[in-house]
Amino acid sequence: KNQVEQSPQSLIILEGKNCTLQCNYTVSPFSNLRWYKQDTGRGPVSLTIMTFSENTKSNGRYTATLDADTKQSSLHITASQLSDSASYICVVSAYGNNRLAFGKGNQVVVIP
Amino acid sequence: DAGVIQSPRHEVTEMGQEVTLRCKPISGHDYLFWYRQTMMRGLELLIYFNNNVPIDDSGMPEDRFSAKMPNASFSTLKIQPSEPRDSAVYFCASSLDRPNTGELFFGEGSRLTVL
Repeated sequence: KNQVEQSPQSLIILEGKNCTLQCNYTVSPFSNLRWYKQDTGRGPVSLTIMTFSENTKSNGRYTATLDADTKQSSLHITASQLSDSASYICVVSAYGNNRLAFGKGNQVVVIP
Repeated sequence: DAGVIQSPRHEVTEMGQEVTLRCKPISGHDYLFWYRQTMMRGLELLIYFNNNVPIDDSGMPEDRFSAKMPNASFSTLKIQPSEPRDSAVYFCASSLDRPNTGELFFGEGSRLTVL
């Protein structure tokens, strides 16, 4: 079973609307969680990193949350733009383990 | 810096042929990673190097895959002989810090199609 599960697998949203992507993980002991954005045909790019003590972190119109107790993270996109069309990948790391756990991504399509 | 540079961007080959993918990491990054991405399995770590030394190659599928890092600015991933199931996008990434803390900087990927 994958240690990182993301939902929804894909979604279509209208330009200007908000959306929230979910990431549930079982990785332990938790070290940090990153959200990466991957545009079609490109490599992933880091959006934000969340550590155990952080609940919320923003990067422009992207806001990530972390609940370390329930092992859940979300990525909220505000006022979506066409350029937000991409796959968003949740990556979780554990203390003492150099192998990262990758989710399969949330595929977001923003339509005008 | 130009970022992580990979070549070729696209490769189409026939089953049984040798494939060599190349990567130039960001200067000063001590860690280099090779990943494979497919729709079914997402991103999977194949191997990573620290200061040019292979640290974890447990993700390399089988003996047909090999990776080298002869110096700090160059790495190769070789598949010999290639098979259709090797078709995927192969990413090289580099990082300043160890894998569980450092941000990964990915290249644009090499899309491999084995016929």
